[in-house]
Amino acid sequence: AQTVTQSQPEMSVQEAETVTLSCTYDTSESDYYLFWYKQPPSRQMILVIRQEAYKQQNATENRFSVNFQKAAKSFSLKISDSQLGDAAMYFCAYRSADDYKLSFGAGTTVTVRA
Amino acid sequence: DVKVTQSSRYLVKRTGEKVFLECVQDMDHENMFWYRQDPGLGLRLIYFSYDVKMKEKGDIPEGYSVSREKKERFSLILESASTNQTSMYLCASEASGGQETQYFGPGTRLLVL
Repeated sequence: AQTVTQSQPEMSVQEAETVTLSCTYDTSESDYYLFWYKQPPSRQMILVIRQEAYKQQNATENRFSVNFQKAAKSFSLKISDSQLGDAAMYFCAYRSADDYKLSFGAGTTVTVRA
Repeated sequence: DVKVTQSSRYLVKRTGEKVFLECVQDMDHENMFWYRQDPGLGLRLIYFSYDVKMKEKGDIPEGYSVSREKKERFSLILESASTNQTSMYLCASEASGGQETQYFGPGTRLLVL
């Protein structure tokens, strides 16, 4: 079974600053997908960003970008120009290309200081 | 936009009660999922369904069953609720293909006394 590790239970960032969340995963497969999901205090989980393992280029979505290091099995999320609305729990998730299942990390709670 | 709804935001039940958690999606998605979320453990898959009346066990199916009689509705059943099933339950859906994004409902926080 794949494991996803988020080593930072909590992170705090000043508004307008940048924060980076770490994620590592363990897999023997070569074709897979990686995701970052955001869960605000209202609890509706939403997709932030997605990365296909076969793509070398790092995915970006507005202020959110990833640093995907396939050999190191690392998938960090960078939030630039942090806003108060970014405060949430962030989950890293892995999915094999031929499986339905998402494997989640334990989550990182991000607090944004005004 | 995809909409996934869950029948209750909060539930309080007694030990031994039969509990039904309902999930409905409005995007004609083939695949639906039930997860439980616990602090420090992330989300863990209980069951998923890839078609009407079809289901597969996830990582922690013990103590749970599911029902999918209609494509848009996926129910999670706790046959005899126990205190260790106190948790947040999240439903998700996605289109078929195995490469799609999962869309989540708002969650049901269940307390079993």
